[in-house]
Amino acid sequence: DAGVIQSPRHEVTEMGQEVTLRCKPISGHNSLFWYRQTMMRGLELLIYFNNNVPIDDSGMPEDRFSAKMPNASFSTLKIQPSEPRDSAVYFCASSSPGTNFAQYFGPGTRLTVT
Amino acid sequence: GDSVTQMEGPVTLSEEAFLTINCTYTATGYPSLFWYVQYPGEGLQLLLKATKADDKGSNKGFEATYRKETTSFHLEKGSVQVSDSAVYFCALHNYGQNFVFGPGTRLSVLP
Repeated sequence: DAGVIQSPRHEVTEMGQEVTLRCKPISGHNSLFWYRQTMMRGLELLIYFNNNVPIDDSGMPEDRFSAKMPNASFSTLKIQPSEPRDSAVYFCASSSPGTNFAQYFGPGTRLTVT
Repeated sequence: GDSVTQMEGPVTLSEEAFLTINCTYTATGYPSLFWYVQYPGEGLQLLLKATKADDKGSNKGFEATYRKETTSFHLEKGSVQVSDSAVYFCALHNYGQNFVFGPGTRLSVLP
């Protein structure tokens, strides 16, 4: 079975541009999570969805960040406008009760905002 | 709220040395416990898990036992290899709650 798929793997953009990160969770998983990882702050949960519904977005840093999950097999994280401090690795993960809620991570998207 | 504490890193060992990375937790009820590993440039990978007290999770030579009396889930390996160099995260999940990760412990294994 394919794991969590993220695209793009690397993104370099200029400050002020819109950035869209994409995630395809593991088939059959009903929870999806977006994380951000930096050296300074470590791993931070941004938002998570259960059955395509956002449950907790308290980790979303500000209104520039938004996330959607239009169906069970696709989610996006959008940053508009992007800023240099958004530079980080963004991970998507999915889980289900059948995994004892263990989360399975994608390879991440390394975002650099110049 | 629930929390996970891990030993400070980095941990540096010689190849074939014994590894212990300490992990303790604070949580209500009976959480499930996990260890994840992150190799350079990659995402976190589930290494092992335990869902109830006294369970032992094991994978790739790594082991951890769920000790409810000491609220611990220490990671051990009898003989580390250079390829084990990575960051290790302890984590817990309580039903109906968010997943909680520890800060991670960086392991470097020298040949």
